[in-house]
Amino acid sequence: ETGVTQSPTHLIKTRGQQVTLRCSSQSGHNTVSWYQQALGQGPQFIFQYYREEENGRGNFPPRFSGLQFPNYSSELNVNALELDDSALYLCASSGGGRGAHEQYFGPGTRLTVT
Amino acid sequence: AQSVAQPEDQVNVAEGNPLTVKCTYSVSGNPYLFWYVQYPNRGLQFLLKYITGDNLVKGSYGFEAEFNKSQTSFHLKKPSALVSDSALYFCAVSVMDTGRRALTFGSGTRLQVQP
Repeated sequence: ETGVTQSPTHLIKTRGQQVTLRCSSQSGHNTVSWYQQALGQGPQFIFQYYREEENGRGNFPPRFSGLQFPNYSSELNVNALELDDSALYLCASSGGGRGAHEQYFGPGTRLTVT
Repeated sequence: AQSVAQPEDQVNVAEGNPLTVKCTYSVSGNPYLFWYVQYPNRGLQFLLKYITGDNLVKGSYGFEAEFNKSQTSFHLKKPSALVSDSALYFCAVSVMDTGRRALTFGSGTRLQVQP
């Protein structure tokens, strides 16, 4: 069983640029959630995708957008990068149904905006 | 809105002693509670969850947690700490009434186990 993978591992961007982060969910999981973890803080929920549709969004501006593909992999796109977007971005996948399934996290992408 | 509080930024314990990492929560509806651990430069690793049933939940690596509805708490415990338990611990809550599985995390507690 393959776990959650994310790419790239690290990324350095300049303010105003755009970035795309990628996530492959764990085998058999159809739900993907994205979180932002700033240094010294707990992860903050960005949004969640269930079967290719957005299934909830946290308190993040529209320049944070996402996609989920038919194979349940996902992308997080951030436009017009700001210095405060520097953080660890975590992707998590979970199983189907309405049960309270635990989420399994990838290793994260460390984004630095200069 | 739901929230999680982890009142201690750091917990220090000697190896072999019992440990407790505290967590309280606030939700509207039935809570689903989770503990995760994060090692340096790593993602979060699932430890245990409470959904319903027995208030004492057992998880990975000898950890357990006790759900207390009246005190809205979900403290993480281990009878005998190991140096390798030293890491950052996060408590999280979700509310399943809408079917959404988004987690709200606390700010984390750093556990330091001294040899």
